[in-house]
Amino acid sequence: DSGVTQTPKHLITATGQRVTLRCSPRSGDLSVYWYQQSLDQGLQFLIQYYNGEERAKGNILERFSAQQFPDLHSELNLSSLELGDSALYFCASSDSRGSDTQYFGPGTRLTVL
Amino acid sequence: AQSVTQLGSHVSVSEGALVLLRCNYSSSVPPYLFWYVQYPNQGLQLLLKYTSAATLVKGINGFEAEFKKSETSFHLTKPSAHMSDAAEYFCAVSENNAGNMLTFGGGTRLMVKP
Repeated sequence: DSGVTQTPKHLITATGQRVTLRCSPRSGDLSVYWYQQSLDQGLQFLIQYYNGEERAKGNILERFSAQQFPDLHSELNLSSLELGDSALYFCASSDSRGSDTQYFGPGTRLTVL
Repeated sequence: AQSVTQLGSHVSVSEGALVLLRCNYSSSVPPYLFWYVQYPNQGLQLLLKYTSAATLVKGINGFEAEFKKSETSFHLTKPSAHMSDAAEYFCAVSENNAGNMLTFGGGTRLMVKP
């Protein structure tokens, strides 16, 4: 158990819909990262938040957004969903000091029908 | 920009045999390198990491990796494979920039034959 929790574990929805994925980092970690794992794109970094502020952005679509709240949990919002958004979405957290390790949650499997 | 190449999307070994999973990276600055393992229907678990200290890094479950700057490689090895090692393995690189984001290789699925 990495100490990072993600809810829900599975999500099935229809095209055009909007969903919210939630992540709680390990106790004391200030950084939260979101990654997408799909068969065709592999594991790709989406976005990072550090203590409530956006710190780095990767290959995140404009239809996707994220935020980190004062209690440090984070939410990834995916809107106008397309079939190709079906993937595993992982959250990771770290304390962001130097060569820190990212600890991954169990992921949310999103299926868009 | 950083990138990671894992040679061989599938590797099959016999139980008790040497495991060698290859990883080559490119990075414009001295990198931090990681190996993660993903068991079916689970998240990623850190096996080991290189952060510019010793070039031979020992990790969990008997795995180790050697950082070779001249070859830009960070191959993962284990002397004797167990059935429980069957999983997908990901090599990742991070540059110590503002983001510390991880760039992953395509992954190598390790199969262990009895």
